[in-house]
Amino acid sequence: QVQLQESGPGLVKPSETLSLICTVSGDSISSFYWSWIRQAPGKGLEWIGYIYYSGSTNYNPSLKSRVTISIDTSKNQFSLKLTSVTAADTAVYYCARVNDYDSLSMDVWGQGTTVTVSS
Amino acid sequence: DTQMTQSPSSLSASVGDRVTITCRASQSISNYLHWYQHKPGKAPNLLIYAATSLQNGVPSRFSGSGSGTDFILTISSLQPEDFATYYCQQTYSPPWTFGQGTKVEIK
Repeated sequence: QVQLQESGPGLVKPSETLSLICTVSGDSISSFYWSWIRQAPGKGLEWIGYIYYSGSTNYNPSLKSRVTISIDTSKNQFSLKLTSVTAADTAVYYCARVNDYDSLSMDVWGQGTTVTVSS
Repeated sequence: DTQMTQSPSSLSASVGDRVTITCRASQSISNYLHWYQHKPGKAPNLLIYAATSLQNGVPSRFSGSGSGTDFILTISSLQPEDFATYYCQQTYSPPWTFGQGTKVEIK
């Protein structure tokens, strides 16, 4: 059974870089798309971007200038970096597997990790 | 960007009620439409993918219909564990977008 687990600092200072890792267990990361999604307090879900196991990426234009998603197949992990963070980046961050067999649904999610941007 | 509009934003219903939630896309998205259930403090859970297909392990009281721009999620008989927020999402074209959510509350 595939499981995803987010990890990283829970507190980031304004203007610094938010860095999170998603560790995939129970299956190889060398297939599928892998995605990051976030939910700010009191708000809905926001798609951040995805990476294909080959390394190709696609980002939400609203964050594109600040986001990098990368993949490490040797560690079965993919990661998120978000630069120049502000309080508006405070959110629960989720990683998810994107099932590309049929219409790209997000069929497995991590439990989420809360990141607060504050000095 | 493809805008996804859900209605209603919230609803109150009783156990046993039939509940329908609609999702409208600002342009045609074929069947690249998925429904998720989200409870506080938990990960979102995929219910329906490709507009009409029931995800493995999801109770059959959940169903989806529609294609193109208009979609519906139906819960045939609401159960206590179904009180949650429901989101539609399109993955037809990036940026992938979610609806604003529909919160289903106990009447």
